[in-house]
Amino acid sequence: EVQLVESGGGLVKPGGSLRLSCAASGFTFSSYSMNWVRQAPGKGLEWVSSISSSSSYIYYADSVKGRFTISRDNAKNSLYLQMNSLRAEDTAVYYCARDSPGGSCYDYWGQGTLVTVSS
Amino acid sequence: EIVLTQSPATLSLSPGERATLSCRASQSVSSYLAWYQQKPGQAPRLLIYDASNRATGIPARFSGSGSGTDFTLTISSLEPEDFAVYYCQQRSNWRGAFGQGTKVEIK
Repeated sequence: EVQLVESGGGLVKPGGSLRLSCAASGFTFSSYSMNWVRQAPGKGLEWVSSISSSSSYIYYADSVKGRFTISRDNAKNSLYLQMNSLRAEDTAVYYCARDSPGGSCYDYWGQGTLVTVSS
Repeated sequence: EIVLTQSPATLSLSPGERATLSCRASQSVSSYLAWYQQKPGQAPRLLIYDASNRATGIPARFSGSGSGTDFTLTISSLEPEDFAVYYCQQRSNWRGAFGQGTKVEIK
């Protein structure tokens, strides 16, 4: 059974940093591209960042470029999101999601971890 | 940047009725369009991929159609568990942009 479990969320002050993790199991992690998607309270889904299976290709939304860094450790079956210079508008539930084998959708999602940026 | 526009924002229907949700892309995404369902407090769930293919375990009452810039998600006869928010997403490029969502609520 495919499982994605996020962790690392919490309360952080504006300008602070946080590192999210996503532990994957039930599939060959190193064969799949992975993604981070966020959802602000009461709002819609926003794509944040994507990383290819071997980390060769990395993409960011303009809203986080230069502040967030996506990475993965295939030996540990883990995906990460390093978030620096956090702003109030970064407050959201952050989901990790797996790319489908064909890359045309996100076929599995974690349950999300809440990040709150507030003084 | 591809922008997806969903309509309507809210759809008020009764169980048993047919729901038709629209997603329009600002430029062609070919058939690289997916639909997700999200219920309160839950992660999104994949319903439809490549515009018209149902994901594993998705009931036949859900169907998708369209290509290029205009797409439709149809729920043929609403069940109580179908009242939720639905999002479309384009995957013609790495920037997996989402539409703003359509809420299907009980009338």
